[in-house]
Amino acid sequence: GAVVSQHPSRVICKSGTSVKIECRSLDFQATTMFWYRQFPKKSLMLMATSNEGSKATYEQGVEKDKFLINHASLTLSTLTVTSAHPEDSSFYICSARDRVKGTQYFGPGTRLLVL
Amino acid sequence: KQEVTQIPAALSVPEGENLVLNCSFTDSAIYNLQWFRQDPGKGLTSLLLIQSSQREQTSGRLNASLDKSSGRSTLYIAASQPGDSATYLCAGLLSYNTDKLIFGTGTRLQVFP
Repeated sequence: GAVVSQHPSRVICKSGTSVKIECRSLDFQATTMFWYRQFPKKSLMLMATSNEGSKATYEQGVEKDKFLINHASLTLSTLTVTSAHPEDSSFYICSARDRVKGTQYFGPGTRLLVL
Repeated sequence: KQEVTQIPAALSVPEGENLVLNCSFTDSAIYNLQWFRQDPGKGLTSLLLIQSSQREQTSGRLNASLDKSSGRSTLYIAASQPGDSATYLCAGLLSYNTDKLIFGTGTRLQVFP
């Protein structure tokens, strides 16, 4: 089946630093990828929709300058958490939509801990 | 604003029981619906997808149904096993021209031997 990878799977950083998370579709092309955030024991909250070759679309309340998204190719989207703070600590999950099948596939998630 | 509620929020049962997990949307306008499984600290595994023209889907011991008129979906797990222990999430697409999934609040299931 289709595979979506995320890197890193876990990251610990100091407050004030920036962290980049990669989301890759390994065996299909994705014109659209999605970034979610999940707090402990909570459901997934959509942060933004990443469109290949164009600007990302952010959900209400999500700071685009805080969470920079780049979707430079049909198989890669990146989320950069800039000037991270402890409240940014969370589980970040991406999904990728197969441009041919239209099905979304989810990555395994990245756990971010900001000290 | 569309909100999705899952009941119960948590469930602990002995193995062998048949289970029913519920998912309801405040706005019944749903295009299709998907059930996912999430193990602790992991990503999502898609279980069943009910397309817009369908009312239910079955896979092994799992059966999911969707009643669009009421905006409700049910996931039925037959003969539960300890390996079924996980969080189950429902998610819906609101229309055919969007890819944005709206996720439910989740049901944490524990099946003990």
